[in-house]
Amino acid sequence: RKEVEQDPGPFNVPEGATVAFNCTYSNSASQSFFWYRQDCRKEPKLLMSVYSSGNEDGRFTAQLNRASQYISLLIRDSKLSDSATYLCAVNPRGYQLIWGAGTKLIIKP
Amino acid sequence: DGGITQSPKYLFRKEGQNVTLSCEQNLNHDAMYWYRQDPGQGLRLIYYSQIVNDFQKGDIAEGYSVSREKKESFPLTVTSAQKNPTAFYLCASSIQGTNEKLFFGSGTQLSVL
Repeated sequence: RKEVEQDPGPFNVPEGATVAFNCTYSNSASQSFFWYRQDCRKEPKLLMSVYSSGNEDGRFTAQLNRASQYISLLIRDSKLSDSATYLCAVNPRGYQLIWGAGTKLIIKP
Repeated sequence: DGGITQSPKYLFRKEGQNVTLSCEQNLNHDAMYWYRQDPGQGLRLIYYSQIVNDFQKGDIAEGYSVSREKKESFPLTVTSAQKNPTAFYLCASSIQGTNEKLFFGSGTQLSVL
């Protein structure tokens, strides 16, 4: 089992819809969790840190479920510009982030 | 504006050749990282450095070398020992290197001729 797993997608979603995807992690001692957005052949950019209490930034909501060992990202009122690959990153041991392979999201007009 | 600069954007390597990827940051960050990204895979850590003149191997360090002679610079050399070097290479930095937001450069696509 991979340390961090994501559904690769693609998720094809109509504009304006709500979409959610998860990222599971295997190390129960993990303390830090992040969602990054990556456009094709560009660098990843931090979208959100994920806190135990969950957090929201505009149309984006991130949640942490420690019992089931996953984090989630929900996007409401999706825009064409939300099309990208969403990477999750987990910090199970000190200085090294472990990355999922990403979930590809395609928003269709 | 502060940021991380990687160069070149595209690089081609011949068989048996060593090539060096540049990474410079003016964010005054202590920690710097090199990742490799292959299609359908997550980012994998090659090397990281938390302080000048010190660096540690990541999960896939074989065939690569780095130096950290200045805080701003963390060049990566892909040696001839790396038999499958074709990938997208990303340099990143963070303030201190623990549980923190990473800032990435725009990446270098390395291909083998």
